[in-house]
Amino acid sequence: QKEVEQNSGPLSVPEGAIASLNCTYSDRGSQSFFWYRQYSGKSPELIMSIYSNGDKEDGRFTAQLNKASQYVSLLIRDSQPSDSATYLCAVKKGGNEKLTFGTGTRLTIIP
Amino acid sequence: GAVVSQHPSRVICKSGTSVKIECRSLDFQATTMFWYRQFPKQSLMLMATSNEGSKATYEQGVEKDKFLINHASLTLSTLTVTSAHPEDSSFYICSATNGETQYFGPGTRLLVL
Repeated sequence: QKEVEQNSGPLSVPEGAIASLNCTYSDRGSQSFFWYRQYSGKSPELIMSIYSNGDKEDGRFTAQLNKASQYVSLLIRDSQPSDSATYLCAVKKGGNEKLTFGTGTRLTIIP
Repeated sequence: GAVVSQHPSRVICKSGTSVKIECRSLDFQATTMFWYRQFPKQSLMLMATSNEGSKATYEQGVEKDKFLINHASLTLSTLTVTSAHPEDSSFYICSATNGETQYFGPGTRLLVL
């Protein structure tokens, strides 16, 4: 079992709809959870971080964490073509420890 | 968010030469920086963890004598690819952490001829 698992996609969503990206992790000691967006040929960019169970909203983005189910998700409302990218889920145990990444989900927003 | 810079953004070199890549945290002090490599259409691969004032910790399979890392200050880490070969051509990305969140630099694209 991989430490962090994501559906590789591609996930296609019509413009204006909600895109839902999912991630599961295996280490129950994980404390911090992150979503990064990576455009083709570019480096990852932080979208959201979440540390507590529940929802965290930032603009069109909502991260959801369920530690009991070892599950973290990212919802993108009112999807735009500029949201088309690969989304990376990452977890870590805490502090300065390294991130463990999923393989990423490629999202395409269809105009 | 915090800003991390890398220099150069792109480098082309001849096989056998060495290339140095700089990673700087511009508006925060980073006790820990990380170096990644990414080949086309593949996932990020962590190469090493760099702590200020101490030796870097390399991931399994990464040659420490080939990829020299120096973290001389709280805002600067360097990666030197020694005796580069065409198979070292890749996208090298650093990140720096403020103790909680990792922020990535823009990356350095290395092409070895």
